[in-house]
Amino acid sequence: QAVLTQPSSLSASPGASASLTCTLRSGIDVGTYRIFWYQQKPGSPPQYLLKYKSDSDKEQGSGVPSRFSGSKDASANAGILFISGLQSEDEADYYCMIWHSSAWVFGGGTKLTVL
Amino acid sequence: EVQLLESGGGLVQPGGSLRLSCAASGFTFTSSAMDWVRQAPGKGLEWVSVISASGGTTYYADSVKGRFTISRDTSRSTLYLQMNSLRVEDTAVYYCAKALGYSSGEGLDKWGQGTRVTVS
Repeated sequence: QAVLTQPSSLSASPGASASLTCTLRSGIDVGTYRIFWYQQKPGSPPQYLLKYKSDSDKEQGSGVPSRFSGSKDASANAGILFISGLQSEDEADYYCMIWHSSAWVFGGGTKLTVL
Repeated sequence: EVQLLESGGGLVQPGGSLRLSCAASGFTFTSSAMDWVRQAPGKGLEWVSVISASGGTTYYADSVKGRFTISRDTSRSTLYLQMNSLRVEDTAVYYCAKALGYSSGEGLDKWGQGTRVTVS
């Protein structure tokens, strides 16, 4: 079982909101990790969006709109990237990442389609 | 403005070697850990290696351990990745990335444009 699992795709309408999940493998407690989120558009490198561990330990990337926010769902053992007021430019791949056992681990990525 | 410029990619036969470079500017190079991350064609991101700001600590993904070596030259503000015993499955775009802090595990906030490595 992968350390981090993301849905492969998600669709939403312009102006709507989207919640992208990043589920940690059973036995790895989401509460102990900072979760980092990245956006990647075709042909471009990833862009840092934010990091989230708790409401008192979080950071927005430089220039990242407040429409992007992070949270956790402890009951689901998952990190969440919430995007409000979806715009066509938000269409991209989104990756979560954690530092686990002295290595960075990425989720498989979610392709967000805005249509 | 932070700039990371990778170079050194190309076409190499299986079993061959390449050295990637990443020239850094726009920030205090000696204050940031640095990473290499790769992305195979049509696939997701895979972390490769990290080196602390001092160069004293390094970590590698199991897939490259014993074959790749990360290093940094503070006088040149340049990050390197020596890749030996290359395999077809090492084919990818290789990105260098700047860490948010001094040590490994502090997140990556800036990425270069990447350099393409093809092993065939």
